[in-house]
Amino acid sequence: DADVTQTPRNRITKTGKRIMLECSQTKGHDRMYWYRQDPGLGLRLIYYSFDVKDINKGEISDGYSVSRQAQAKFSLSLESAIPNQTALYFCATRGTSGSGDEQFFGPGTRLTVL
Amino acid sequence: EDKVVQSPLSLVVHEGDTVTLNCSYEVTNFRSLLWYKQEKKAPTFLFMLTSSGIEKKSGRLSSILDKKELFSILNITATQTGDSAIYLCAVAGAGSYQLTFGKGTKLSVIP
Repeated sequence: DADVTQTPRNRITKTGKRIMLECSQTKGHDRMYWYRQDPGLGLRLIYYSFDVKDINKGEISDGYSVSRQAQAKFSLSLESAIPNQTALYFCATRGTSGSGDEQFFGPGTRLTVL
Repeated sequence: EDKVVQSPLSLVVHEGDTVTLNCSYEVTNFRSLLWYKQEKKAPTFLFMLTSSGIEKKSGRLSSILDKKELFSILNITATQTGDSAIYLCAVAGAGSYQLTFGKGTKLSVIP
């Protein structure tokens, strides 16, 4: 079984709709991240969380919100989707301090906003 | 602001060729540099480098870091079609639990 899972894997929605992307992990990691990837732009950080009470904005948080429901679950919401939020979204996890900087990625959610 | 620049942005080679991918960086209080391979979806971890001049190697892939000149290279020898992917470079600064990614190098290996 995958250590980091994302649902849905693909989603098509319309402008103005609210949408939630979910991430779950079984790695026992406390740090979780949401990225978006656009062609030619690499991975850009949206939000990250160190535990259920610690949420931080990343480079491109406008238009997004997150919820850390439990150590293993981190959700990303688009309150009112717009076409330029069409992208590939990744959730990632990282272990505690001292475990190295490696982040482990989920399979991604391809979101299309019409 | 941390910055990572990868070059070239794309590269097409024939099977059996050797390729070198470049990554230069600017980061406050450098801690580590990481390389990832992204084939279809999720990036998968290749190497993490923290010390200058020490080569990390895994099969036909190897990487080395130059902390003085602020760059790293990823070498792939005897390329195969399965090496076709986007290769991502990322850096972490001391006291940060974030990674800053470059835009990636898209490698295409043709038979």
